[in-house]
Amino acid sequence: DVVMTQSPLSLPVTVGQPASISCRSSQSLVYSDGNTYLTWFQQRPGQSPRRLIYKVSNRDSGVPDRFSGSGSGTDFTLKISRVEAEDVGVYYCMQGTHWPLTFGGGTKVEIK
Amino acid sequence: QLQLQESGPGLVKPSETLSLICTVSGGFISSSTYYWGWIRQPPGKGLEWIGSIYYSGSTYYNPSLKSRVTISVDTSKNQFSLNLSSVTAADTAVYYCARHGSSWDFDPWGQGTLVTVSS
Repeated sequence: DVVMTQSPLSLPVTVGQPASISCRSSQSLVYSDGNTYLTWFQQRPGQSPRRLIYKVSNRDSGVPDRFSGSGSGTDFTLKISRVEAEDVGVYYCMQGTHWPLTFGGGTKVEIK
Repeated sequence: QLQLQESGPGLVKPSETLSLICTVSGGFISSSTYYWGWIRQPPGKGLEWIGSIYYSGSTYYNPSLKSRVTISVDTSKNQFSLNLSSVTAADTAVYYCARHGSSWDFDPWGQGTLVTVSS
């Protein structure tokens, strides 16, 4: 299985400051069709996961533009340009390129 | 707006079968564009994909669970279901249902249901 490694495990951030989460895969996530199936989810406390970003950098409708995704091959990043209190939660990356689908272990974003 | 809702027993005895249903509203499960999946999350832990189904009945299972998992679909009721056999305490988790496309990006998700395996 493809191993998805996220860092850091925990990310204390001051409101208004930027935050960056890394996700690395054990194999390239470029599929034979040329797409890279890397997705980011946000899970707020007590809620179900919500998709933020799909295919590396495509932001979902309703997701604030302070969230952005980037990367290629095996290295990917989720950035929050200016963290707000409502961004507290756990962020997961997931790969859909290789069988079976696998998730990263999660990064907990908290406010300092 | 598409919504998914999980339902089923919250407590299952060891060695028995866990059975859950996901009811889809605001859209049709028979859409040719989408697949319907199950994901679980043990308390305080990360996410694990269990398996998915297409409206035609084609199934896709995580190899780690394949021997114990059955997912089926009932288009007349706009529902799909999960059966997980021979459960142990390790199967205690919040179980989510979700829709995804051919790119396997789950959206939206149901609210989740906690299933505890205990005698």
